[in-house]
Amino acid sequence: RKEVEQDPGPFNVPEGATVAFNCTYSNSASQSFFWYRQDCRKEPKLLMSVYSSGNEDGRFTAQLNRASQYISLLIRDSKLSDSATYLCVVTVLPGYQKVTFGTGTKLQVIP
Amino acid sequence: DAGVIQSPRHEVTEMGQEVTLRCKPISGHDYLFWYRQTMMRGLELLIYFNNNVPIDDSGMPEDRFSAKMPNASFSTLKIQPSEPRDSAVYFCASSYEGGRQPQHFGDGTRLSIL
Repeated sequence: RKEVEQDPGPFNVPEGATVAFNCTYSNSASQSFFWYRQDCRKEPKLLMSVYSSGNEDGRFTAQLNRASQYISLLIRDSKLSDSATYLCVVTVLPGYQKVTFGTGTKLQVIP
Repeated sequence: DAGVIQSPRHEVTEMGQEVTLRCKPISGHDYLFWYRQTMMRGLELLIYFNNNVPIDDSGMPEDRFSAKMPNASFSTLKIQPSEPRDSAVYFCASSYEGGRQPQHFGDGTRLSIL
């Protein structure tokens, strides 16, 4: 089983739709979680951290489910500009800090 | 604030040549990561440093790859000799407190080996 798994997609959704991505991780010692966004031919950029209690940033909501070992990203009212690949990042702490990126989920928002 | 700076942005060279990629991390960051990204394999961690010391180089594909960090503000990734299968985008990233804080990526170096 991969350490971090994401559905590669693509997810094709109409403008205004709500879309959700999940990211599962295998190591229960994982303690630090992030979502990144990567546009075509660009570098990954931090979208948001994921906190235990869940957190929201505008149209974006991130949640952590430790029992089932997954994190999620919800995008409400999708915009064309949201089209990108979304990468989850999981880190095992403390001590040796193993940071693992998922392979990404591609989102295409359609007019 | 200056972000992570990588050079060159693009490199095209012939098979067998030595390639050197450079990275300047964000000032104050104590972790530096080198990644390689291809369509087939996605983003792969090659090596990372903590306080200029290599911690994990298990992702370095072969002995042809080497990385150094002589000081807190500079790192290099070298490929010698280069091969066509090394063609990829190479990213450098830095962070503070390792995995506790998010990594910040440079623009990447697009490497093509002919």
